[in-house]
Amino acid sequence: GQQVMQIPQYQHVQEGEDFTTYCNSSTTLSNIQWYKQRPGGHPVFLIQLVKSGEVKKQKRLTFQFGEAKKNSSLHITATQTTDVGTYFCAGPSNTGNQFYFGTGTSLTVIP
Amino acid sequence: NAGVTQTPKFQVLKTGQSMTLQCAQDMNHNSMYWYRQDPGMGLRLIYYSASEGTTDKGEVPNGYNVSRLNKREFSLRLESAAPSQTSVYFCASSQPSYSVEETQYFGPGTRLLVL
Repeated sequence: GQQVMQIPQYQHVQEGEDFTTYCNSSTTLSNIQWYKQRPGGHPVFLIQLVKSGEVKKQKRLTFQFGEAKKNSSLHITATQTTDVGTYFCAGPSNTGNQFYFGTGTSLTVIP
Repeated sequence: NAGVTQTPKFQVLKTGQSMTLQCAQDMNHNSMYWYRQDPGMGLRLIYYSASEGTTDKGEVPNGYNVSRLNKREFSLRLESAAPSQTSVYFCASSQPSYSVEETQYFGPGTRLLVL
């Protein structure tokens, strides 16, 4: 079946260091979404990428969709303690009726 | 707008007991979802409803039933709870569209412990 894998599972960084999480799908995706979940909270939508090779930026966050539309990455520049949380990617099924979430990357930022 | 609401926030059950998790959204979305979240497993889809009156199985439907009562409400029922169903349950909704971002909006979650 369709799978969405994410690495690493955990990442500890010093405040000010950069952070990257990678997402890989077993199938080509029509789009990919990224969500952030703060500790004890619920997932919150960050962004959606649709085009092959697309790059989008939100302040210190850079999102990229691979040329083959099977992988994606989220890069945070100069992490801050407010970046703490788990970052998930999600891709739609072939029918588009449901989403498959990656296993998530838990980011800890050490002050 | 309240967005997506879930009740209860916390629940403790004994093995074999039944319960229904309630979810409602006030965004007039067509699609609604139930996920469970376990450590290291991410979010796994239990059931979804693409529109009022329809429901379909997701990745992990065994042990659960759902009802799409109307466009607003989507409930998840555990008929005979098992310890393996200890998890955090999230309800979500979205409005499918090919022209705008299809955001999933999540409720605050229900933390369920089955003893």
